[in-house]
Amino acid sequence: GESVGLHLPTLSVQEGDNSIINCAYSNSASDYFIWYKQESGKGPQFIIDIRSNMDKRQGQRVTVLLNKTVKHLSLQIAATQPGDSAVYFCALTGGGNKLTFGTGTQLKVEL
Amino acid sequence: DAGVIQSPRHEVTEMGQEVTLRCKPISGHNSLFWYRQTMMRGLELLIYFNNNVPIDDSGMPEDRFSAKMPNASFSTLKIQPSEPRDSAVYFCASSSTPLNTEAFFGQGTRLTVV
Repeated sequence: GESVGLHLPTLSVQEGDNSIINCAYSNSASDYFIWYKQESGKGPQFIIDIRSNMDKRQGQRVTVLLNKTVKHLSLQIAATQPGDSAVYFCALTGGGNKLTFGTGTQLKVEL
Repeated sequence: DAGVIQSPRHEVTEMGQEVTLRCKPISGHNSLFWYRQTMMRGLELLIYFNNNVPIDDSGMPEDRFSAKMPNASFSTLKIQPSEPRDSAVYFCASSSTPLNTEAFFGQGTRLTVV
């Protein structure tokens, strides 16, 4: 079956530094890989996605890297800000519209 | 648009009672999803609808759970009878794309069954 896992449950970074959140997956058939952000008391919020035929995609202050050889996905956040503090989930598509979420990484931004 | 609207935000009920969670998706979205979030199991997809039709309910834990979508602007998730292990945050999400990479989530309903 599908499984999505995260390397680190908690990541602490200094404000202004870059953050890298990692994700390992097992489903090679996924078409899309997605990152969501969840702030306390709120629902997950879409950040960025990448199609399986790409290896890098950039957004505003965020970059997603996909390495299909080792089944690894990462989210890079440049110049991390206090507002970036949240739980970050990787997710992948499979079996139609199914989105399978990872267990999440807590990002803490220290001032 | 107000986004995906869920009600109630919080629900406390006694074991054995029926619980109904409600969701209003974003207008124009044709896919609707129900998720459950717990510390132990993370975010689990329970069921999703396309154009009001249930497509995959394999995530529904047991027969005590049922979901309906009578029209494009409303869906319910019912648990009957409820059990303490059903305690979780239940999220509804909607999207307008065939592949829901950008699903919009509601604020969730925190359910506590005592």
